[in-house]
Amino acid sequence: EVQLVQSGGGLVQPGGSQRLSCAASGFAFRKFWMYWIRQAPGKGLVWVSGIDSEGSVTTYADSVKGRFTISRDNAKNTLYLQINSLRAEDTATYFCGRVAGPIDLWGQGTLVTVSS
Amino acid sequence: DIVMTQSPDSLAVSLGERATINCKSSQSILNSSNNKNYLGWYQQKPGQPPKLLIYWASTRESGVPDRFSGSGSGTDFSLTISSLQAEDVAVYYCQQFFAIPITFGGGTRVDFK
Repeated sequence: EVQLVQSGGGLVQPGGSQRLSCAASGFAFRKFWMYWIRQAPGKGLVWVSGIDSEGSVTTYADSVKGRFTISRDNAKNTLYLQINSLRAEDTATYFCGRVAGPIDLWGQGTLVTVSS
Repeated sequence: DIVMTQSPDSLAVSLGERATINCKSSQSILNSSNNKNYLGWYQQKPGQPPKLLIYWASTRESGVPDRFSGSGSGTDFSLTISSLQAEDVAVYYCQQFFAIPITFGGGTRVDFK
């Protein structure tokens, strides 16, 4: 089955860190750009970061630059997002997505809650 | 960044009636080299990830019912649900993938009247 299965997330204190994972199956993961998108509770969709198929090109939203790091392991068919120096405004459901022009495949989402 | 503006914010439609959502980009998202508009439409139901409905502004994703259609070019786009069904109650987002950062509209909530 073609799918993205996410793990990680949960409650973290301000200033803390989390690593989110997104495991791909059923397709040639190594051929696709991948994105992270987030959605604050009750709000809209916001692009966070992107990585090319080989992992050599990365891009970030200004709001997370310097704090978040996107990476991938094509041998493990897995995408990662390391999130550091977390702030209350980073509280959101984080989705990974496969890029085929539009985002044609989404992970189920994982909630990161930043609170003391 | 390209700003995507959707209207209306919410829409109440009777079962079987037509629903139309508009989306405007702050700059053209038409690639003149291939004549494609880099615009997608997504449906999101509570507790679920978004689902791609339409891409290239008017191409229906595989498996999407033909009551969903997209139109427009340049900076002005629309999504039409020709006959609203119960399962169509959701929030709908437009998204440009012409440039990074990709950006989404604010969303339109579609419900029953």
